[in-house]
Amino acid sequence: DIQMTQSPSSLSASLGDRVTITCRASQDIGNYLSWFQQKPGKSPRLMIYGATNLEDGVPSRFSGSRSGSDYSLTISSLESEDTAIYYCLQYDKYPLTFGSGTKLEIK
Amino acid sequence: QIQLVQSGPELKKPGESVKISCKASGYTFTDYAMHWVKQAPGKGLKWMGWINTYTGKPTYADDFKGRFVFSLEASASTANLQISNLKNEDTATYFCARSSGVLLDYWGQGVMVTVSS
Repeated sequence: DIQMTQSPSSLSASLGDRVTITCRASQDIGNYLSWFQQKPGKSPRLMIYGATNLEDGVPSRFSGSRSGSDYSLTISSLESEDTAIYYCLQYDKYPLTFGSGTKLEIK
Repeated sequence: QIQLVQSGPELKKPGESVKISCKASGYTFTDYAMHWVKQAPGKGLKWMGWINTYTGKPTYADDFKGRFVFSLEASASTANLQISNLKNEDTATYFCARSSGVLLDYWGQGVMVTVSS
């Protein structure tokens, strides 16, 4: 199975900060990587797909990038509504595997 | 608009069975696969498997082979998850999610299943 190592596990940042979350894949997954945002009591929301593509309706302050086997989600200017847990998901090979999640809080 | 509406919360005893549903609307049901994802309380997301809504063929992740069954009521645009011989560790929220290709783009609201004696 492909392991997705996500870091950090938690993150506290101030409004307006630039924030980056990273997932490292244990083997090549091409660009078959998506990012989800999950708020308490809610279902996950697709934010980024194909490593770099913004899902319709997602604010442009969110972006995705890839460097080798490292995939990153960046929020360019943190807003209060961005408080959530973020998960990466590789969908290149079965079984699909999620990262362990990053809990993002506002200082 | 595309919606996946799941059934309500369940409280079961160990050894019992549960069947939860996921009703799709706003798109052609058989054009997209349906996946199932488990989230234990306070924990992360775990992929359980998927069902081909055109052929009805299910595929299960290794940890979900045996007691878990994916099924369809295609005429009702509904996917079902049945769990038999419930154990305490089955206590979780179960999500259905539509896939476009293999991309999980729309999710149900989740069903909380509590297993307790």
